[in-house]
Amino acid sequence: QKEVEQNSGPLSVPEGAIASLNCTYSDRGSQSFFWYRQYSGKSPELIMSIYSNGDKEDGRFTAQLNKASQYVSLLIRDSQPSDSATYLCAVPGSARQLTFGSGTQLTVLP
Amino acid sequence: ETGVTQTPRHLVMGMTNKKSLKCEQHLGHNAMYWYKQSAKKPLELMFVYNFKEQTENNSVPSRFSPECPNSSHLFLHLHTLQPEDSALYLCASSQVIAGVGETQYFGPGTRLLVL
Repeated sequence: QKEVEQNSGPLSVPEGAIASLNCTYSDRGSQSFFWYRQYSGKSPELIMSIYSNGDKEDGRFTAQLNKASQYVSLLIRDSQPSDSATYLCAVPGSARQLTFGSGTQLTVLP
Repeated sequence: ETGVTQTPRHLVMGMTNKKSLKCEQHLGHNAMYWYKQSAKKPLELMFVYNFKEQTENNSVPSRFSPECPNSSHLFLHLHTLQPEDSALYLCASSQVIAGVGETQYFGPGTRLLVL
Protein backbone atom coordinates (compact mmCIF):
# COMPACT_ATOMS: atom_id res chain seq x y z
CA GLN A 1 0.00 0.00 0.00
CA LYS A 2 1.32 3.43 -0.94
CA GLU A 3 1.91 5.76 1.97
CA VAL A 4 -0.23 8.51 0.44
CA GLU A 5 -2.88 7.85 -2.18
CA GLN A 6 -4.93 10.27 -4.22
CA ASN A 7 -7.38 9.85 -7.06
CA SER A 8 -5.29 10.80 -10.07
CA GLY A 9 -8.26 12.25 -11.91
CA PRO A 10 -8.56 14.20 -14.02
CA LEU A 11 -11.44 15.82 -12.20
CA SER A 12 -13.57 18.32 -14.07
CA VAL A 13 -16.12 20.60 -12.45
CA PRO A 14 -18.11 23.52 -13.84
CA GLU A 15 -17.29 27.04 -12.70
CA GLY A 16 -19.03 27.85 -9.43
CA ALA A 17 -19.33 24.22 -8.33
CA ILE A 18 -17.65 22.55 -5.36
CA ALA A 19 -14.54 20.52 -6.17
CA SER A 20 -13.80 17.66 -3.77
CA LEU A 21 -10.32 16.16 -3.59
CA ASN A 22 -9.51 13.15 -1.45
CA CYS A 23 -6.39 11.66 0.05
CA THR A 24 -5.78 8.58 2.18
CA TYR A 25 -2.64 7.77 4.11
CA SER A 26 -1.21 4.68 5.75
CA ASP A 27 0.70 5.94 8.79
CA ARG A 28 -1.72 6.17 11.74
CA GLY A 29 0.84 8.19 13.65
CA SER A 30 0.80 11.10 11.21
CA GLN A 31 0.06 14.37 12.95
CA SER A 32 0.11 16.95 10.20
CA PHE A 33 -1.31 17.12 6.71
CA PHE A 34 -0.76 19.49 3.86
CA TRP A 35 -2.38 20.39 0.56
CA TYR A 36 -0.26 21.91 -2.17
CA ARG A 37 -1.36 23.34 -5.50
CA GLN A 38 0.86 23.01 -8.55
CA TYR A 39 0.16 24.82 -11.76
CA SER A 40 1.55 23.28 -14.93
CA GLY A 41 5.26 23.95 -15.22
CA LYS A 42 5.42 25.60 -11.78
CA SER A 43 6.51 24.47 -8.34
CA PRO A 44 4.09 23.35 -5.61
CA GLU A 45 2.71 26.05 -3.33
CA LEU A 46 1.18 25.39 0.07
CA ILE A 47 -2.51 26.22 0.29
CA MET A 48 -3.68 24.46 3.46
CA SER A 49 -2.34 22.64 6.47
CA ILE A 50 -4.41 20.78 9.05
CA TYR A 51 -3.43 19.10 12.30
CA SER A 52 -6.69 18.31 14.14
CA ASN A 53 -9.72 16.23 13.29
CA GLY A 54 -12.54 18.18 11.73
CA ASP A 55 -12.71 21.03 9.29
CA LYS A 56 -10.42 23.96 8.70
CA GLU A 57 -11.60 26.77 6.47
CA ASP A 58 -9.55 29.38 4.63
CA GLY A 59 -11.51 31.45 2.17
CA ARG A 60 -12.96 29.16 -0.49
CA PHE A 61 -10.85 26.23 0.71
CA THR A 62 -11.86 23.75 3.42
CA ALA A 63 -9.62 20.93 4.58
CA GLN A 64 -11.28 18.01 6.35
CA LEU A 65 -9.35 15.52 8.46
CA ASN A 66 -10.53 12.18 9.81
CA LYS A 67 -7.67 10.42 11.58
CA ALA A 68 -9.73 7.36 12.48
CA SER A 69 -10.44 6.71 8.82
CA GLN A 70 -7.04 8.01 7.73
CA TYR A 71 -8.23 10.41 5.12
CA VAL A 72 -7.89 14.09 4.46
CA SER A 73 -9.89 15.99 1.88
CA LEU A 74 -9.90 19.41 0.29
CA LEU A 75 -13.05 21.18 -0.77
CA ILE A 76 -12.93 24.15 -3.10
CA ARG A 77 -16.13 26.17 -3.10
CA ASP A 78 -17.22 28.42 -5.96
CA SER A 79 -14.54 26.89 -8.18
CA GLN A 80 -12.88 29.23 -10.63
CA PRO A 81 -10.96 28.47 -13.83
CA SER A 82 -7.88 29.79 -12.02
CA ASP A 83 -8.21 26.83 -9.63
CA SER A 84 -7.33 24.48 -12.49
CA ALA A 85 -4.13 22.80 -11.33
CA THR A 86 -2.79 19.61 -9.82
CA TYR A 87 -3.44 19.29 -6.09
CA LEU A 88 -0.92 17.37 -4.01
CA CYS A 89 -1.60 15.84 -0.63
CA ALA A 90 1.44 15.53 1.65
CA VAL A 91 1.79 13.60 4.89
CA PRO A 92 4.87 12.90 7.03
CA GLY A 93 5.97 9.39 6.17
CA SER A 94 7.81 6.68 8.03
CA ALA A 95 11.06 8.64 7.91
CA ARG A 96 9.36 11.83 9.17
CA GLN A 97 9.83 13.38 5.78
CA LEU A 98 6.86 14.61 3.83
CA THR A 99 5.52 12.01 1.45
CA PHE A 100 3.56 13.38 -1.47
CA GLY A 101 0.68 11.74 -3.26
CA SER A 102 0.71 11.53 -7.03
CA GLY A 103 -1.69 14.46 -7.25
CA THR A 104 -5.19 15.05 -8.58
CA GLN A 105 -5.52 17.12 -11.72
CA LEU A 106 -8.45 19.51 -11.47
CA THR A 107 -9.99 21.36 -14.39
CA VAL A 108 -12.64 24.01 -13.77
CA LEU A 109 -14.68 24.56 -16.88
CA PRO A 110 -15.90 28.12 -17.63
CA GLU B 1 15.22 37.99 -2.57
CA THR B 2 12.50 36.23 -0.66
CA GLY B 3 11.52 32.63 -0.11
CA VAL B 4 13.44 29.93 -1.92
CA THR B 5 15.37 30.72 -5.07
CA GLN B 6 16.92 28.35 -7.58
CA THR B 7 19.36 28.85 -10.42
CA PRO B 8 19.47 28.20 -13.26
CA ARG B 9 15.79 27.98 -14.12
CA HIS B 10 16.49 26.01 -17.28
CA LEU B 11 19.47 23.84 -18.17
CA VAL B 12 20.35 21.78 -21.22
CA MET B 13 23.37 19.54 -20.92
CA GLY B 14 25.04 16.69 -22.71
CA MET B 15 25.68 13.36 -21.06
CA THR B 16 29.37 14.12 -20.59
CA ASN B 17 28.91 17.58 -19.06
CA LYS B 18 29.28 18.60 -15.43
CA LYS B 19 26.92 21.21 -14.07
CA SER B 20 25.58 22.35 -10.71
CA LEU B 21 22.16 23.45 -9.53
CA LYS B 22 21.99 26.05 -6.79
CA CYS B 23 19.32 26.66 -4.18
CA GLU B 24 19.17 29.41 -1.58
CA GLN B 25 16.54 29.89 1.10
CA HIS B 26 15.88 33.24 2.78
CA LEU B 27 13.42 31.93 5.37
CA GLY B 28 15.78 31.09 8.22
CA HIS B 29 14.95 27.40 7.94
CA ASN B 30 17.24 24.61 9.12
CA ALA B 31 16.36 21.85 6.66
CA MET B 32 16.67 21.72 2.88
CA TYR B 33 15.56 19.16 0.33
CA TRP B 34 16.08 18.13 -3.28
CA TYR B 35 13.18 16.60 -5.19
CA LYS B 36 12.89 15.26 -8.71
CA GLN B 37 9.62 15.56 -10.61
CA SER B 38 9.36 13.73 -13.91
CA ALA B 39 6.44 14.10 -16.27
CA LYS B 40 3.30 12.34 -15.01
CA LYS B 41 5.10 11.07 -11.90
CA PRO B 42 4.83 12.10 -8.25
CA LEU B 43 7.48 14.09 -6.48
CA GLU B 44 10.48 11.95 -5.61
CA LEU B 45 12.51 12.96 -2.57
CA MET B 46 16.23 12.75 -3.37
CA PHE B 47 18.19 14.25 -0.49
CA VAL B 48 17.51 15.82 2.89
CA TYR B 49 19.80 18.05 4.91
CA ASN B 50 19.08 18.97 8.54
CA PHE B 51 21.42 21.56 10.06
CA LYS B 52 23.79 21.03 7.10
CA GLU B 53 24.01 17.27 7.74
CA GLN B 54 22.68 14.87 5.15
CA THR B 55 20.03 12.75 6.80
CA GLU B 56 18.50 11.02 3.83
CA ASN B 57 19.61 9.72 0.47
CA ASN B 58 16.79 7.93 -1.27
CA SER B 59 18.90 5.52 -3.33
CA VAL B 60 19.91 8.29 -5.68
CA PRO B 61 22.57 7.37 -8.29
CA SER B 62 26.03 8.69 -7.60
CA ARG B 63 25.92 10.88 -10.71
CA PHE B 64 23.92 13.23 -8.45
CA SER B 65 26.04 14.70 -5.68
CA PRO B 66 24.55 17.12 -3.12
CA GLU B 67 26.43 19.73 -1.15
CA CYS B 68 25.18 21.85 1.72
CA PRO B 69 27.84 24.36 2.85
CA ASN B 70 25.47 26.10 5.28
CA SER B 71 21.82 26.03 6.26
CA SER B 72 20.88 28.59 3.60
CA HIS B 73 22.53 27.07 0.55
CA LEU B 74 22.16 23.74 -1.19
CA PHE B 75 23.79 22.52 -4.37
CA LEU B 76 23.21 19.53 -6.61
CA HIS B 77 26.23 18.62 -8.68
CA LEU B 78 25.50 16.73 -11.87
CA HIS B 79 27.87 14.62 -13.97
CA THR B 80 27.49 11.99 -16.69
CA LEU B 81 23.72 12.21 -16.57
CA GLN B 82 21.38 10.10 -18.66
CA PRO B 83 18.46 11.28 -20.81
CA GLU B 84 16.04 9.76 -18.27
CA ASP B 85 17.37 12.25 -15.72
CA SER B 86 15.56 15.01 -17.61
CA ALA B 87 13.03 16.41 -15.16
CA LEU B 88 12.08 19.36 -12.99
CA TYR B 89 14.40 19.54 -9.98
CA LEU B 90 12.86 21.24 -7.00
CA CYS B 91 14.50 22.56 -3.89
CA ALA B 92 12.51 23.04 -0.70
CA SER B 93 13.19 24.20 2.83
CA SER B 94 11.47 23.84 6.17
CA GLN B 95 11.91 24.52 9.85
CA VAL B 96 12.41 21.19 11.61
CA ILE B 97 10.36 20.92 14.79
CA ALA B 98 10.63 17.60 16.60
CA GLY B 99 7.57 15.39 16.51
CA VAL B 100 5.54 17.31 13.94
CA GLY B 101 5.73 17.24 10.19
CA GLU B 102 6.97 20.53 8.88
CA THR B 103 5.63 22.71 6.11
CA GLN B 104 7.98 22.75 3.16
CA TYR B 105 8.35 25.74 0.89
CA PHE B 106 9.47 25.15 -2.67
CA GLY B 107 11.68 27.05 -5.02
CA PRO B 108 10.64 27.63 -8.64
CA GLY B 109 12.63 24.62 -9.85
CA THR B 110 15.25 23.96 -12.50
CA ARG B 111 13.97 22.31 -15.65
CA LEU B 112 16.76 20.03 -16.83
CA LEU B 113 17.08 18.48 -20.26
CA VAL B 114 19.80 15.90 -20.85
CA LEU B 115 20.64 15.27 -24.47
